[in-house]
Amino acid sequence: AQSVTQLGSHVSVSEGALVLLRCNYSSSVPPYLFWYVQYPNQGLQLLLKYTSAATLVKGINGFEAEFKKSETSFHLTKPSAHMSDAAEYFCAVTLNTGGFKTIFGAGTRLFVKA
Amino acid sequence: NAGVTQTPKFRVLKTGQSMTLLCAQDMNHEYMYWYRQDPGMGLRLIHYSVGEGTTAKGEVPDGYNVSRLKKQNFLLGLESAAPSQTSVYFCASRSGGSGNTIYFGEGSWLTVV
Repeated sequence: AQSVTQLGSHVSVSEGALVLLRCNYSSSVPPYLFWYVQYPNQGLQLLLKYTSAATLVKGINGFEAEFKKSETSFHLTKPSAHMSDAAEYFCAVTLNTGGFKTIFGAGTRLFVKA
Repeated sequence: NAGVTQTPKFRVLKTGQSMTLLCAQDMNHEYMYWYRQDPGMGLRLIHYSVGEGTTAKGEVPDGYNVSRLKKQNFLLGLESAAPSQTSVYFCASRSGGSGNTIYFGEGSWLTVV
């Protein structure tokens, strides 16, 4: 069964530091992978997605993620954290079956220190 | 643009009461979903629909029912609320295709006392 695992339920970085949020997937077929962000008291919104066009995917707000098939990973990075990046981030995979169900990781809460 | 709209946003129920959460989307999407979000567990799929008049069970369907009488609406019902159903509920919709984005409502906070 396809699933995603996010390593680290909480990540804390200083403003201006590198952000690295880890996601590993399990899939028997080429996956469609997503990163979503959730700001407090809001729904989830798309940051970026991998759909096999390019392994390095750029998203909104300066985030990017690299699909590494050999490592079954899709880690999210941002070179320089901003206070406004504080939020919860979810990695997700969409099943290529009836219903196109999307399976989410448990989430990683990012804290940004001034 | 409205996108996905959920009502109500907040509700407190007593154990055993019933209620319905309404989800409406204006993007003409075929697929609609109800998730619940609990701390440390991410989002778990309750039920979903692949088109008007269809529904299917997700990962955690027990205690919930759904209906999709119109393409734009997806209702989530709790027949007899239990404290374990205290959660944040999110409705979402998408068009077909694994690479397509799923769009979320802003959530409904439900507390069962």
